[in-house]
Amino acid sequence: GESVGLHLPTLSVQEGDNSIINCAYSNSASDYFIWYKQESGKGPQFIIDIRSNMDKRQGQRVTVLLNKTVKHLSLQIAATQPGDSAVYFCAESLTTDSWGKLQFGAGTQVVVTP
Amino acid sequence: ETGVTQSPTHLIKTRGQQVTLRCSSQSGHNTVSWYQQALGQGPQFIFQYYREEENGRGNFPPRFSGLQFPNYSSELNVNALELDDSALYLCASSRQGRLIGYTFGSGTRLTVV
Repeated sequence: GESVGLHLPTLSVQEGDNSIINCAYSNSASDYFIWYKQESGKGPQFIIDIRSNMDKRQGQRVTVLLNKTVKHLSLQIAATQPGDSAVYFCAESLTTDSWGKLQFGAGTQVVVTP
Repeated sequence: ETGVTQSPTHLIKTRGQQVTLRCSSQSGHNTVSWYQQALGQGPQFIFQYYREEENGRGNFPPRFSGLQFPNYSSELNVNALELDDSALYLCASSRQGRLIGYTFGSGTRLTVV
C-alpha cells in the first residue's frame, strides 16, 4: 500500500518496549479526543478516546493521557509489537457543535524494530 | 455488519476534469463525512451529510460538492480539478453525526496530472 507517513516525525521503538506518542491540540474548547492508527493503504482505525472531564483512560495495552492546561495528549502503547507499526494521529472535536467534525493533528510514524 | 466501503480505490484524472467518488456507509449509520488527506498530513474535514443535506463544511471551495442518497450512501464531486487536489479521500460514517462509532473507509487515492 502507499505510505501515509512521508515527512512525518518518526518514533523508532524496539519490540517489547513501551511507546509514547505525543500530540499538541489546538482548540482549548475541544472536549473530545480520539487516537487513530493508520496503516498503509487503509483508513484511520479507532484506538481509544477520552473526554475532557477525564485526564487518563486505559484500554487494552494502550493508555491516553490528557493535560488540558497545556493542551497536550499522549498515547502510551505497552509492549510494542511489530503490528503496531503505523502512523498515529490524534484528533479533537467540540461535541457541542451541531455536527461531528474531527480536527486531526499532523501524525507520528511509529516504526517497531525487532 | 458491513463496514464503510469506498470506490474506486485509485484513479488518475487530468487537471480541469471532474471526478465523482462514492461511499457506502456502515450498516445502521445515517451520517457520512468526507475528509481529504494529502500525503504526509492528517485528514482535513471537507463536509458532512445528514438526512440528504450538507450539515457542516470545512474550509474547501464550492467546487467540492456532495450528495447523500436515501440509503445513506454518499458521493463527493470535485469540479475543475487542480494538481493540489491529489490526495487520499476518506469517508467516515456514524449515527446521527456522533463521533462515537465514527468509522472510516479505506479511501480513494486521487492523482491529478
